[in-house]
Amino acid sequence: AQSVAQPEDQVNVAEGNPLTVKCTYSVSGNPYLFWYVQYPNRGLQFLLKYITGDNLVKGSYGFEAEFNKSQTSFHLKKPSALVSDSALYFCAERSSASKIIFGSGTRLSIRP
Amino acid sequence: GAVVSQHPSWVICKSGTSVKIECRSLDFQATTMFWYRQFPKQSLMLMATSNEGSKATYEQGVEKDKFLINHASLTLSTLTVTSAHPEDSSFYICSARGGDNQPQHFGDGTRLSIL
Repeated sequence: AQSVAQPEDQVNVAEGNPLTVKCTYSVSGNPYLFWYVQYPNRGLQFLLKYITGDNLVKGSYGFEAEFNKSQTSFHLKKPSALVSDSALYFCAERSSASKIIFGSGTRLSIRP
Repeated sequence: GAVVSQHPSWVICKSGTSVKIECRSLDFQATTMFWYRQFPKQSLMLMATSNEGSKATYEQGVEKDKFLINHASLTLSTLTVTSAHPEDSSFYICSARGGDNQPQHFGDGTRLSIL
């Protein structure tokens, strides 16, 4: 079955340091991949997507993600973390049935 | 950017009542809308997918008669939790998509508490 995996429940980073939130996917062929962020008691906000093209995708709020086909990964990155980046991050892929399947989520905590 | 409005944001009601949640796409036409359920500290679980003018497609294990979904127009979908019970308490989130290759945009969710 198609799925995405987020191996880390929590990631802790000091403000100003680079951050990476990991995601691996399992769909064969050409995957459609997404990153979303969720703040407390809110819905999800779209950050970026990969459908085709450049492996490095730039998104909202300074985030970017690198698509790596050989490693089946789509890690989310940001060069310099902000305290306001603290939130729950979901990696997702669009299935063959056009449904979005979410990973389990990674809680990102940025300490001042 | 695309905005999805979900209402109400919080509802508390007695066991046995029915609750309707609205999801509207404010600045785009949503050909497809999705309803998710999220338990505390967990990921989103897709409940159903609805296309405008068609019956919703429910995921396995989701009771169609319990969770009634209507997608009557390109900007509005509703989820009605019928005869709600405490175990239906959860965070319900809708999302809408303007086309097949478009990203899904999410509402802010509805926290449902059944006493």
